[in-house]
Amino acid sequence: QQQVKQSPQSLIVQKGGISIINCAYENTAFDYFPWYQQFPGKGPALLIAIRPDVSEKKEGRFTISFNKSAKQFSLHIMDSQPGDSATYFCAASVNTGTASKLTFGTGTRLQVTL
Amino acid sequence: DGGITQSPKYLFRKEGQNVTLSCEQNLNHDAMYWYRQDPGQGLRLIYYSQIVNDFQKGDIAEGYSVSREKKESFPLTVTSAQKNPTAFYLCASSRGLTAAADTIYFGEGSWLTVV
Repeated sequence: QQQVKQSPQSLIVQKGGISIINCAYENTAFDYFPWYQQFPGKGPALLIAIRPDVSEKKEGRFTISFNKSAKQFSLHIMDSQPGDSATYFCAASVNTGTASKLTFGTGTRLQVTL
Repeated sequence: DGGITQSPKYLFRKEGQNVTLSCEQNLNHDAMYWYRQDPGQGLRLIYYSQIVNDFQKGDIAEGYSVSREKKESFPLTVTSAQKNPTAFYLCASSRGLTAAADTIYFGEGSWLTVV
């Protein structure tokens, strides 16, 4: 019940195109859904996050769409740039008091070509 | 600069050896975490700590041990009981709120290889 399923495993998008990464979850107790961006050899960095009471959140070129009834959420990267080439992880967490236990998807390797 | 420092960046372990990965944060965060990253499997939680002198097992704690004697430090020991320790290890921290989930910040990671 803790699993978060992420697709696709890899994605190639032309510069200026839209990158879309999808995630689905089972556990309805999840109450926080962040997306992390990771460059090779580096730690993940928070990109954008959403809570289940909101259906969409936009920050610059990055948008999260959230469908509570379907238990799905997705990341859209508009006007994709070569600098966006990285691995993206969706995650979900359950509040455990003072700590946040994140369950991660398996990651999507995005390559943005010129 | 505030952040999370992991050391060493690269570590080689011989069969049967215990090794310790260091994690220090100067963000004044209460909660700290250790994750393991393997190709194609995302990140998996090993241990987490909400306050000093307290820690809980995550999803894959077998073969690992931790301590939390100081707020700033959360070292991870990979013991000889961990049969497949080769991986990228990530330390993280968060403020540790009693309300809704908080942002988790990651260090730069440590590569551990068994030789």
